[in-house]
Amino acid sequence: KQEVTQIPAALSVPEGENLVLNCSFTDSAIYNLQWFRQDPGKGLTSLLLIQSSQREQTSGRLNASLDKSSGRSTLYIAASQPGDSATYLCAVQGGSEKLVFGKGTKLTVNP
Amino acid sequence: NAGVMQNPRHLVRRRGQEARLRCSPMKGHSHVYWYRQLPEEGLKFMVYLQKENIIDESGMPKERFSAEFPKEGPSILRIQQVVRGDSAAYFCASSPPSGTLFNEQFFGPGTRLTVL
Repeated sequence: KQEVTQIPAALSVPEGENLVLNCSFTDSAIYNLQWFRQDPGKGLTSLLLIQSSQREQTSGRLNASLDKSSGRSTLYIAASQPGDSATYLCAVQGGSEKLVFGKGTKLTVNP
Repeated sequence: NAGVMQNPRHLVRRRGQEARLRCSPMKGHSHVYWYRQLPEEGLKFMVYLQKENIIDESGMPKERFSAEFPKEGPSILRIQQVVRGDSAAYFCASSPPSGTLFNEQFFGPGTRLTVL
């Protein structure tokens, strides 16, 4: 059974800092991994999707890496801004269509 | 191109009533997924449907919950005889049919169900 863990559960940083969010999964037989952003009381916004054959994806100030063999992914946020404050969710898609989610990292960027 | 639409956005029911949650996938998408987010918990898969077919319902509670995706109209998640433990945010996602086996899922804004 696939399990996804995200560390830390919460993170508070000053504006402008570079930061890394971590995601680990127990079954390395995945097809892709997605990072999402969720604002309080809102839905999920897809940030990056990494196919299993890829090592990383970049979008603006975001960079996500994937090490399938070790069951790890990181989301790197450069030059953080208060608007980046949200909960970041990691999800993997394995031998079925369903996504398995971690519980998320709640990020607060202080002005 | 409108995104995934869900309604209602907020739903309040008393114990024992029925709740119907609707999801309209993105245009051109024929795969629908339902997920539930309990307070302080991560999102959990409930069911995966294609038009007129339930493909995977391994995450659905055995009783009171059902889902459908008819040939015409939105997908419906139905909860009968709701209990307080059903209070949660219910998210719908959709993905397109394609030659690849697994596709990116796009999420709706969710329906927040409160059971009094």
